[in-house]
Amino acid sequence: NAGVTQTPKFQVLKTGQSMTLQCAQDMNHEYMSWYRQDPGMGLRLIHYSVGAGITDQGEVPNGYNVSRSTTEDFPLRLLSAAPSQTSVYFCASSGHMNTEAFFGQGTRLTVV
Amino acid sequence: AQSVSQHNHHVILSEAASLELGCNYSYGGTVNLFWYVQYPGQHLQLLLKYFSGDPLVKGIKGFEAEFIKSKFSFNLRKPSVQWSDTAEYFCAVNAMGYQKVTFGTGTKLQVIP
Repeated sequence: NAGVTQTPKFQVLKTGQSMTLQCAQDMNHEYMSWYRQDPGMGLRLIHYSVGAGITDQGEVPNGYNVSRSTTEDFPLRLLSAAPSQTSVYFCASSGHMNTEAFFGQGTRLTVV
Repeated sequence: AQSVSQHNHHVILSEAASLELGCNYSYGGTVNLFWYVQYPGQHLQLLLKYFSGDPLVKGIKGFEAEFIKSKFSFNLRKPSVQWSDTAEYFCAVNAMGYQKVTFGTGTKLQVIP
């Protein structure tokens, strides 16, 4: 049972580099989201999608892009990495935004 | 806009002590409420959820939560904690009409054997 798969698990970037965090789910969920987790700040919503072709911004979208070309995949792109983007990133999916969310294992990103 | 407050940031208990973690939300309409747990080094998992009906909700591992609409609260309780309950606990809310789930800042629970 794969559930929500995130890759990579760890990544170190230099300031100014770009990269894509991958997220895939095999539960045919419509709703997918990206959060970042920082000490003392809980989980903050970056972007979310209510279905293929539809995305919207969360609380902290600046510096990140997303797309949703298929139901299964929801990649998060860092356009030009900054040290402030050092964080743990979680992808989540659910059948609907008001049902249980299933989380991936997280990506620990360090920007130096 | 919906928001969630968790006032206890770090709680330390001895095994067998009772637990109550506070969660308050700000939204006057219908809400869906969740408690998630994150064990050290792991991802978040659902403990319990409230959508409607009985305001006392029972979840996994002996946890329960009570929805008190008049107080905008959804506190998490467990009568007797175990060392394995050491984790971070997050309250979350989805307000009807909002396409977002908002998480609180989390409460770190440390249970001492």
